[in-house]
Amino acid sequence: DAKTTQPNSMESNEEEPVHLPCNHSTISGTDYIHWYRQLPSQGPEYVIHGLTSNVNNRMASLAIAEDRKSSTLILHRATLRDAAVYYCILRDWNSGAGSYQLTFGKGTKLSVIP
Amino acid sequence: KAGVTQTPRYLIKTRGQQVTLSCSPISGHRSVSWYQQTPGQGLQFLFEYFSETQRNKGNFPGRFSGRQFSNSRSEMNVSTLELGDSALYLCASSLEQRAYNEQFFGPGTRLTVL
Repeated sequence: DAKTTQPNSMESNEEEPVHLPCNHSTISGTDYIHWYRQLPSQGPEYVIHGLTSNVNNRMASLAIAEDRKSSTLILHRATLRDAAVYYCILRDWNSGAGSYQLTFGKGTKLSVIP
Repeated sequence: KAGVTQTPRYLIKTRGQQVTLSCSPISGHRSVSWYQQTPGQGLQFLFEYFSETQRNKGNFPGRFSGRQFSNSRSEMNVSTLELGDSALYLCASSLEQRAYNEQFFGPGTRLTVL
């Protein structure tokens, strides 16, 4: 699986937007970009995914660079509940007989300040 | 729709014993994956099942095994437990085996080996 690079930690003030960056310079044309987050004492939770175009859902937005070598997860208004570890993961849709497992890195620990 | 359930939630065993963990996926989901989470190694992929067949296995010793039943429920077994097997074991289900399918995680089973 292609690798991703994320900052170890970030801080945000409550009710302000948060931009979480992810670099994936070795991404292949068949890799989907997925974001998951893990709140304290819980299992990971799907946030959003995209292939080439920017994506929006009720939780967040995903901005994908034109060359796809980086992406940014955008939380429009951070709440205390958004304090979690955020993981950026690449998944190849052309795995063939292979696996579609999620390969987690260290992620970014987001702290939200009241 | 009920989420992914895992039983038991907590388990204490001693070295040398074996343990079986259970996972019930979301109704209609046919793919089940297992992950181990430890403070030192983070989230690591164990194995993935689809239609009762193991599709891929992570880099774990043969003491770790699993299976999937016809109703998609899955079990994982760890034999001859070691202290290092103490971890949070997470199960995730998804509708199909596709790179764009999100995985839904259960709350995990916290295993402590004494």
